[in-house]
Amino acid sequence: DQQVKQNSPSLSVQEGRISILNCDYTNSMFDYFLWYKKYPAEGPTFLISISSIKDKNEDGRFTVFLNKSAKHLSLHIVPSQPGDSAVYFCAASGWGTGNQFYFGTGTSLTVIP
Amino acid sequence: DADVTQTPRNRITKTGKRIMLECSQTKGHDRMYWYRQDPGLGLRLIYYSFDVKDINKGEISDGYSVSRQAQAKFSLSLESAIPNQTALYFCATGGQYNEQFFGPGTRLTVL
Repeated sequence: DQQVKQNSPSLSVQEGRISILNCDYTNSMFDYFLWYKKYPAEGPTFLISISSIKDKNEDGRFTVFLNKSAKHLSLHIVPSQPGDSAVYFCAASGWGTGNQFYFGTGTSLTVIP
Repeated sequence: DADVTQTPRNRITKTGKRIMLECSQTKGHDRMYWYRQDPGLGLRLIYYSFDVKDINKGEISDGYSVSRQAQAKFSLSLESAIPNQTALYFCATGGQYNEQFFGPGTRLTVL
């Protein structure tokens, strides 16, 4: 049973606009959430994370929002750039889950120049 | 040099063959992980290790085994490969704040 879900397999956005990638989770024991970016023929690379004690974390053009009551997080990229075109995975872990990481199925973002 | 290396990068094998995928890391992390990626399923955890003496099964460990030869080395074995083990395999190490650092992946095809 998928504990972390990314319901949009793909997303296309114009360069300069905002990209919003969404992620839902079911396990209330998760207390740490991460976003990874993956280019073809490469491994995922860490992008940004958020702890459950926060509802927002920002790093340059990337902001992650966490809504614990809705068990939902989102990644905002502003402004979007063609180099952001990649597959984005959200992941979750928690002390109650044996510190395993659970990944979503990924969203393929295409930023159109 | 890459912090996490995987060998081989590509492998084609036949059903029933034994195969080993190797992972080495230079980050000095205690935690190491093996994942597989399948289209539409994301990354799923096979095995993980928090130190040389600690090995744990992940979500999909059936058909796989691992060996933690040293802090820097974590290998994944398929004792008798089957076609539904065709996938992209990633090794990862655990970071200080829980983020993981991934290797470049091994594309395995079982015919």
